[in-house]
Amino acid sequence: VVTQEPSLTVSPGETVTLTCDSSTGGVTSGHYPYWFQQKPGQAPRTLIYDTSNKHPWTPARFSGSLLGGKAALTLSGAQPEDEADYYCVLFYSGPVVFGGGTKLTVL
Amino acid sequence: EVRLVESGGGLVQSGGSLRLSCAASGFTFSDYWMIWVRQAPGKGLEWVANIKQDGSDKSYVDSVKGRFTISRDNAKNSLYLQMNNMRVEDTAVYYCARGLHIWGQGTMVTVSS
Repeated sequence: VVTQEPSLTVSPGETVTLTCDSSTGGVTSGHYPYWFQQKPGQAPRTLIYDTSNKHPWTPARFSGSLLGGKAALTLSGAQPEDEADYYCVLFYSGPVVFGGGTKLTVL
Repeated sequence: EVRLVESGGGLVQSGGSLRLSCAASGFTFSDYWMIWVRQAPGKGLEWVANIKQDGSDKSYVDSVKGRFTISRDNAKNSLYLQMNNMRVEDTAVYYCARGLHIWGQGTMVTVSS
């Protein structure tokens, strides 16, 4: 089971960290963590892959890391347009497992 | 432009079948593993199946094993998902993705009882 915070709230301009935990033990780079953003009515968009790598379309304010045995997505300087659902994925030997998602409110 | 376009969704009765297609363009399709992901109404994302570049290796989530088959035709730049013996709980938007980096817009599948 992959666990994420169900919801988080951040004020505009502030920093927030979303985490992704594995029930089988600590998350490592060997789980190749991915992070996705999904806004209502839209397809997911990949922000981060392989723990910390960004796509050309990933805003610079998003970063990925490993933090305290979890995968982490840090948003530095939240913008109103960052309000969305965020999902992580961990790769195990076989299945691909999505976290339950974090609903991020920018308020 | 890299693009994935799903089609084939619709309304089907429980026990019925549907075949989803995903048309790829803008990249060398045969170079990438492909994946189907679904999202039930109001719920999170769920991995369904993935397939290696040459089609030699396939994996499925337990809930669809024996009912769904993922396949690809590299000559046609297309990915498929054959869904048989469908259940109400298969109702979802189905997305194809290129290795979880590039996503299509999805196609809605509704299974009625």
